[in-house]
Amino acid sequence: AQSVTQLDSQVPVFEEAPVELRCNYSSSVSVYLFWYVQYPNQGLQLLLKYLSGSTLVKGINGFEAEFNKSQTSFHLRKPSVHISDTAEYFCAVRGRGTGANNLFFGTGTRLTVIP
Amino acid sequence: GAGVSQSPSNKVTEKGKDVELRCDPISGHTALYWYRQSLGQGLEFLIYFQGNSAPDKSGLPSDRFSAERTGGSVSTLTIQRTQQEDSAVYLCASSAGLAGGPHFFGPGTRLTVL
Repeated sequence: AQSVTQLDSQVPVFEEAPVELRCNYSSSVSVYLFWYVQYPNQGLQLLLKYLSGSTLVKGINGFEAEFNKSQTSFHLRKPSVHISDTAEYFCAVRGRGTGANNLFFGTGTRLTVIP
Repeated sequence: GAGVSQSPSNKVTEKGKDVELRCDPISGHTALYWYRQSLGQGLEFLIYFQGNSAPDKSGLPSDRFSAERTGGSVSTLTIQRTQQEDSAVYLCASSAGLAGGPHFFGPGTRLTVL
């Protein structure tokens, strides 16, 4: 099985400042990695995903994440945040093998952008 | 439809009653998942359907929980004899079933057990 750790439960940041939301995973097999965002009173929306190839992946709304296999990390970054980025962000992992179908989620990081 | 839909959006029930939650996945998606989102516990996998294969029920917390998927499309999650600890948001997701394919989530059903 896999597991995900999001060390920061809350991250406050000023508008137009950069942000990094940390994600570390544990798995005995190769993985696919995902970041989802949940805006207030809305469902989960896919931000970006790492399947293979380039370790730097770009997603929607100016977010990007870098897969680091040696550090088992998949941190999410944005160079300049906006008020509208205030939301909860979930990192998720999924094993590559057959039968490895469900996602394992971290407990989420609540990003609050301060005007 | 254009996205995953779930009904009802909110459900309040009394302890001991049975509830049924419905999910309509994206048309053509062969994989369907149920997750539960509880305060302080994050998102928890419950059950997975893929085509006509036997479902993966490994995440169901007790035998009071069951789910079915009819005709490879609509799914119903049933909770029997509800308990207060069942209160959570129940999320349905579907995917095309391809390796690494992302989940597309519905808006969820908020279940409150009094």
